[in-house]
Amino acid sequence: SAVISQKPSRDICQRGTSLTIQCQVDSQVTMMFWYRQQPGQSLTLIATANQGSEATYESGFVIDKFPISRPNLTFSTLTVSNMSPEDSSIYLCSAADRNGNQPQHFGDGTRLSIL
Amino acid sequence: QKEVEQNSGPLSVPEGAIASLNCTYSDQGSQSFFWYRQYSGKSPELIMFIYSNGDKEDGRFTAQLNKASQYVSLLIRDSQPSDSATYLCAVLVAAGNKLTFGGGTRVLVKP
Repeated sequence: SAVISQKPSRDICQRGTSLTIQCQVDSQVTMMFWYRQQPGQSLTLIATANQGSEATYESGFVIDKFPISRPNLTFSTLTVSNMSPEDSSIYLCSAADRNGNQPQHFGDGTRLSIL
Repeated sequence: QKEVEQNSGPLSVPEGAIASLNCTYSDQGSQSFFWYRQYSGKSPELIMFIYSNGDKEDGRFTAQLNKASQYVSLLIRDSQPSDSATYLCAVLVAAGNKLTFGGGTRVLVKP
């Protein structure tokens, strides 16, 4: 299975600022996804990162707040914009080896705290 | 109704016993089913996946799928204290190749 590296692993940010999270996969993958896990909650899909085109966002998530890039088949970024304390969460990148039916594997996550 | 439902627990299990975790889903077109283990402060780790009705065994873990009843379960045999974690059921819904997660079941294995 693909090895997924995320950075930063954690950060503490001031409200109103933005942070970009990077996700690097050690092999080319078809599908990359971004999730949010709020404290004590399960995972919620933010968007599917599409290579060479705009990301596909889930209900409740918008591009202005969570812009996503995916310039190639091994790399993606998620930016959390204009942060507020409600954005304090763990943000997780995942990848599937061949197509969406294959198991998704997760990076170690980015633990984000907003003051 | 939530798309994927799990009992939140905690499920308390004596060491060496069998832990039985259940998951139900609402989308009849769901194709693939996954179990992830998540230790506190860590990211989810895939432990089992199942695509067809029946049982699938991997070491101490057995996944069971019944599509007619829209039910998937995970059995952990010979439970160990290191199995104490939250277990997340995830279902690949038919449209959009998206994983939907249940709320997770917290398992506590007591020595």
